Amino acid sequence: GDSVTQMEGPVTLSEEAFLTINCTYTATGYPSLFWYVQYPGEGLQLLLKATKADDKGSNKGFEATYRKETTSFHLEKGSVQVSDSAVYFCAPPNSGNTPLVFGKGTRLSVIA
Amino acid sequence: EAGVAQSPRYKIIEKRQSVAFWCNPISGHATLYWYQQILGQGPKLLIQFQNNGVVDDSQLPKDRFSAERLKGVDSTLKIQPAKLEDSAVYLCASSLDGTPGEFGPGTRLTVT
Repeated sequence: GDSVTQMEGPVTLSEEAFLTINCTYTATGYPSLFWYVQYPGEGLQLLLKATKADDKGSNKGFEATYRKETTSFHLEKGSVQVSDSAVYFCAPPNSGNTPLVFGKGTRLSVIA
Repeated sequence: EAGVAQSPRYKIIEKRQSVAFWCNPISGHATLYWYQQILGQGPKLLIQFQNNGVVDDSQLPKDRFSAERLKGVDSTLKIQPAKLEDSAVYLCASSLDGTPGEFGPGTRLTVT
């Protein structure tokens, strides 16, 4: 079935460092792909999504490009801030637009 | 716009007792989801509603869990009887376009 492999954390970075969180997927067809974020003590939020190959999703300075040739959807940010400290989830592909099962996520801690 | 509301925020019960959670989605969102998030794991979809009909409940433990969404707006999730392994955060999400984008703050359940 469809699934994702997400880089395990925790990841600790200094403020203004470059962030990459790797996510690769296996899927049949051409599903939409998603990144979610969970800030401490809060519920999940959809961070960004891409609906087709070569699409780039972006939000709050974060970007991810849907790369069909490498089956990847890596999350990147050029300069992280302390407020970006959170758990990030790459959601598995689902052609019905409903992520059914999330992975454990990657915990990011940004220190000043 | 108001977000997804959930109550209570915290609940502690003994095993074999029953408990109910309430969710009020964003106004106009036809799709409503209940997720279970065990500590250290990603959220797992329990049930998805489209208006007041069930779209997917394949991962809902139906011997003890039930959910309803009367009138296609608010929803309740019930556990009866609770087990220790039900200790988790229960998240409600709603969607306008089929992608769960807005999650509530969750209800943290502790079963002792």
